[in-house]
Amino acid sequence: DTGVSQDPRHKITKRGQNVTFRCDPISEHNRLYWYRQTLGQGPEFLTYFQNEAQLEKSRLLSDRFSAERPKGSFSTLEIQRTEQGDSAMYLCASSLSGRTQAEQFFGPGTRLTVL
Amino acid sequence: AQKITQTQPGMFVQEKEAVTLDCTYDTSDPSYGLFWYKQPSSGEMIFLIYQGSYDQQNATEGRYSLNFQKARKSANLVISASQLGDSAMYFCAMWGAFNDMRFGAGTRLTVKP
Repeated sequence: DTGVSQDPRHKITKRGQNVTFRCDPISEHNRLYWYRQTLGQGPEFLTYFQNEAQLEKSRLLSDRFSAERPKGSFSTLEIQRTEQGDSAMYLCASSLSGRTQAEQFFGPGTRLTVL
Repeated sequence: AQKITQTQPGMFVQEKEAVTLDCTYDTSDPSYGLFWYKQPSSGEMIFLIYQGSYDQQNATEGRYSLNFQKARKSANLVISASQLGDSAMYFCAMWGAFNDMRFGAGTRLTVKP
């Protein structure tokens, strides 16, 4: 399978715990994006990387959220001290640069439930 | 501020007919990209079509076409010859000067046999 993969697909955690999600982009894609989607809404942009550099970070991303892409390949998104409001689907996407961000390919998402 | 508006929460269309899903946007940036994505009940976002702000012609991809009216700031998606498998949520999105992607609230399309 050469698409974007995300792990885990589902995560249930208790409020106050830390969680980490992983995204593996399409191998030749140098851009990687994180989004959050709540029920009945469109995805909300969180951050994106070009290679290992984090180029943009939404103001939605509080200090409890951190994302890394250490070698320009896979990325991790960590949420510290989770809150019930963090419950959502976390989507990862990747693309090639130089095409005006066209054709972002999305992964299946990680559904987070905070109890 | 960049904003995407989809005013149709739900749409119904008869199988084999064409349907138009509305999208308007607001930006002061002259350079931007407009996208449509499909999200079936399985949850995965599927890219459908892209229109650049400087593109002279409307984008087409198979049964999908984008009716781009720059002066009116609208980017409506037209699906021709609807199929039952087209039933899904459809999102309009824009990438602009702030280097982020803004999505609309989506339109749920139901294709009736």
